[in-house]
Amino acid sequence: TQLLEQSPQFLSIQEGENLTVYCNSSSVFSSLQWYRQEPGEGPVLLVTVVTGGEVKKLKRLTFQFGDARKDSSLHITAAQPGDTGLYLCAGARKNYGQNFVFGPGTRLSVLP
Amino acid sequence: DAGVTQSPTHLIKTRGQHVTLRCSPISGHKSVSWYQQVLGQGPQFIFQYYEKEERGRGNFPDRFSARQFPNYSSELNVNALLLGDSALYLCASSWTALNTEAFFGQGTRLTVV
Repeated sequence: TQLLEQSPQFLSIQEGENLTVYCNSSSVFSSLQWYRQEPGEGPVLLVTVVTGGEVKKLKRLTFQFGDARKDSSLHITAAQPGDTGLYLCAGARKNYGQNFVFGPGTRLSVLP
Repeated sequence: DAGVTQSPTHLIKTRGQHVTLRCSPISGHKSVSWYQQVLGQGPQFIFQYYEKEERGRGNFPDRFSARQFPNYSSELNVNALLLGDSALYLCASSWTALNTEAFFGQGTRLTVV
């Protein structure tokens, strides 16, 4: 069974601080997606990383895919209350289509 | 353009009943997948359908079934509901069967009492 672990599980920080959340696996994925989910809503796709070592930036969010395509990180600079939510990583495997393996998520709370 | 739409948004059912959840994909998307998200956990894959054919099935009992219609919309059916089936059921759509970018709907919150 392929698993994705995320750390930390919970994170509460003050507005303006920086943070990094991690997504790790012992398995190789063909690509990895990051989603943000708010309570009672569906996950919203933030980014897809495909190439080992790839770095993508989305405003204050920086995503990195590990060289071996087994892990990923999400770094947020100068966090804002609007960044509050559940951050999920999801691994895709070759020829498995949208049969993603999701991590349990990191619940982020940014306090004003 | 409308995103993925799911109906109903909330549902309360009694143990033993059956339920049908509906999903309309983003216009032009031909692949639909279903996930179950239990409170406090990440989503778990249930089914993927592409061009009306089942393309993947997760580790769920036979009480769970799905189908896709010619207009690419989809239904998820669950029979003989158990308390443990209470969850947020998510539908996601994508362009093709192998595309790894998927866009989720807002989900259907099912409560089994």
